[in-house]
Amino acid sequence: NAGVTQTPKFQVLKTGQSMTLQCAQDMNHEYMSWYRQDPGMGLRLIHYSVGAGITDQGEVPNGYNVSRSTTEDFPLRLLSAAPSQTSVYFCASRVAVFSYNEQFFGPGTRLTVL
Amino acid sequence: SQQGEEDPQALSIQEGENATMNCSYKTSINNLQWYRQNSGRGLVHLILIRSNEREKHSGRLRVTLDTSKKSSSLLITASRAADTASYFCATDYSNDMRFGAGTRLTVKP
Repeated sequence: NAGVTQTPKFQVLKTGQSMTLQCAQDMNHEYMSWYRQDPGMGLRLIHYSVGAGITDQGEVPNGYNVSRSTTEDFPLRLLSAAPSQTSVYFCASRVAVFSYNEQFFGPGTRLTVL
Repeated sequence: SQQGEEDPQALSIQEGENATMNCSYKTSINNLQWYRQNSGRGLVHLILIRSNEREKHSGRLRVTLDTSKKSSSLLITASRAADTASYFCATDYSNDMRFGAGTRLTVKP
């Protein structure tokens, strides 16, 4: 049981480039989410999904797209990278929304945009 | 904006002492959770307290919740050097979970 996995662990992009951060979970969790963490700050919610085929925006969605074609995978796409998107990105999953369960976090992807 | 706010931002104590961190939030919640993050790692869940609970214990952790004041506290008793980490409260309501900026705890051996 691998839990929540993220790839890559590190990435450097140039302004304007696009890329996809991968996230997968093997716990059959309905709910998945993406957060970004900036220095000295907590996690801010980018997008979330309550099940396959259903996604919604969080607190800071601009510049990011998501899709949820399967229960297991929840990729995050940066459309045109900007220096302001330099951050550490965490993917998380939980059993379901409206559940009294914790979120399980991946190890993070450290992204630098030059 | 972030839902929870932790206080203090940083806390430094000696091994064996107790550490208390506070969290305030703004809206109604279903539950409140505390997480721990070691440097450069993902968050790990510590404890969950439901909105109808006032206190909960787990090992050396004690969490209280006061919904009338919209606040929670996390107490770590008999701290150890291995407790050095950042601690975040997260409020759970509706479809998402919102985190505070965290308290950076340093436990000196």
